Amino acid sequence: QQQVKQSPQSLIVQKGGISIINCAYENTAFDYFPWYQQFPGKGPALLIAIRPDVSEKKEGRFTISFNKSAKQFSLHIMDSQPGDSATYFCAASWGAQKLVFGQGTRLTINP
Amino acid sequence: DTAVSQTPKYLVTQMGNDKSIKCEQNLGHDTMYWYKQDSKKFLKIMFSYNNKELIINETVPNRFSPKSPDKAHLNLHINSLELGDSAVYFCASSQAGSDGYTFGSGTRLTVV
Repeated sequence: QQQVKQSPQSLIVQKGGISIINCAYENTAFDYFPWYQQFPGKGPALLIAIRPDVSEKKEGRFTISFNKSAKQFSLHIMDSQPGDSATYFCAASWGAQKLVFGQGTRLTINP
Repeated sequence: DTAVSQTPKYLVTQMGNDKSIKCEQNLGHDTMYWYKQDSKKFLKIMFSYNNKELIINETVPNRFSPKSPDKAHLNLHINSLELGDSAVYFCASSQAGSDGYTFGSGTRLTVV
């Protein structure tokens, strides 16, 4: 119930392509779904977040798609760049309580 | 100015030793957390403090003891270190009622 399952574990995309990372959850009480980006040697940094009352949120090249009935959400990175190479984590929380993280996706953008 | 700062950044120590990691945030947040990131990059919450009060204590060995002297500081003391304690420990903070977390840069603990 507390888990957030993330896939794929690793992803290689060509420069300019679209990177897609998926997450699924079980707990219907979750009301906040952020994505974090982590570079080597750094802490996770908030990238973009969504609440279940909207199905999509876009910020620049980053888009979250949210499917409440399927209990799934995904991150799309358009026009992927080498600087996007990092580990991405989806997460979920309810009532501003603890964040539960997915397992992480190591994204590599080939130039 | 670093928003959430942790010291030390690296810590190498022998099994059985006791060590502490310190965390300070200058964001005015009232809630602070400790997360552990294992070798597979999985992030798991350990503790959460709100205004110096412990509010989340996950299933963590009692060798780990957090202490919050004030709402801007959260330290983690680890007794009798074991090989399995080797990981990166992240401190984070947030404001109650707000969902966004700010993480520190982490402390890489290696137990030899």
